[in-house]
Amino acid sequence: KNQVEQSPQSLIILEGKNCTLQCNYTVSPFSNLRWYKQDTGRGPVSLTIMTFSENTKSNGRYTATLDADTKQSSLHITASQLSDSASYICVVSASNSNYQLIWGAGTKLIIKP
Amino acid sequence: DTAVSQTPKYLVTQMGNDKSIKCEQNLGHDTMYWYKQDSKKFLKIMFSYNNKELIINETVPNRFSPKSPDKAHLNLHINSLELGDSAVYFCASSQLLVTGANVLTFGAGSRLTVL
Repeated sequence: KNQVEQSPQSLIILEGKNCTLQCNYTVSPFSNLRWYKQDTGRGPVSLTIMTFSENTKSNGRYTATLDADTKQSSLHITASQLSDSASYICVVSASNSNYQLIWGAGTKLIIKP
Repeated sequence: DTAVSQTPKYLVTQMGNDKSIKCEQNLGHDTMYWYKQDSKKFLKIMFSYNNKELIINETVPNRFSPKSPDKAHLNLHINSLELGDSAVYFCASSQLLVTGANVLTFGAGSRLTVL
């Protein structure tokens, strides 16, 4: 069954610290993996998208990694800011006829001053 | 200049009523979607339209009926509302199907509360 699991479920860190969010998936056949950021009361916004051949991708202070062999991805946030407080959702696209998107439940990140 | 706009943002109604949520995108995208986000925060695809044609129709009660008058609009009509319909409904759009680097752009969501 195609699934995306994220950990931790929630995380609280102090402003300025780094953190890493994890995503494990069992989606097959694999097309690509995305990380979205969802602020409270808003729609998700895309941070990165990675295909099979990409191991790492950065977007400012966000760096995503992908290990297609172990079917794991991580999102590393450097020098966290208060505005990073949000839910971070891992989404995997299957290369079936509809390029189905399988969504994780998200990690709720809270940055404290 | 909002890229994907949904109305209303909040909707409170009684069980058994019929309601609609409207969505418009000005990105020139070919594909539009409706997602439901329940209290557990999972986003679940409900429908997808490509150039006004229905291409994804997940297991959704037939009380939910999408309508796409043109490729820039995808409205969601819900009949005989039930308590379990309470959720946040997100409209999204993308260029063609979500494949490769194509990325979904989401609206701000419409929070539906059924009393």
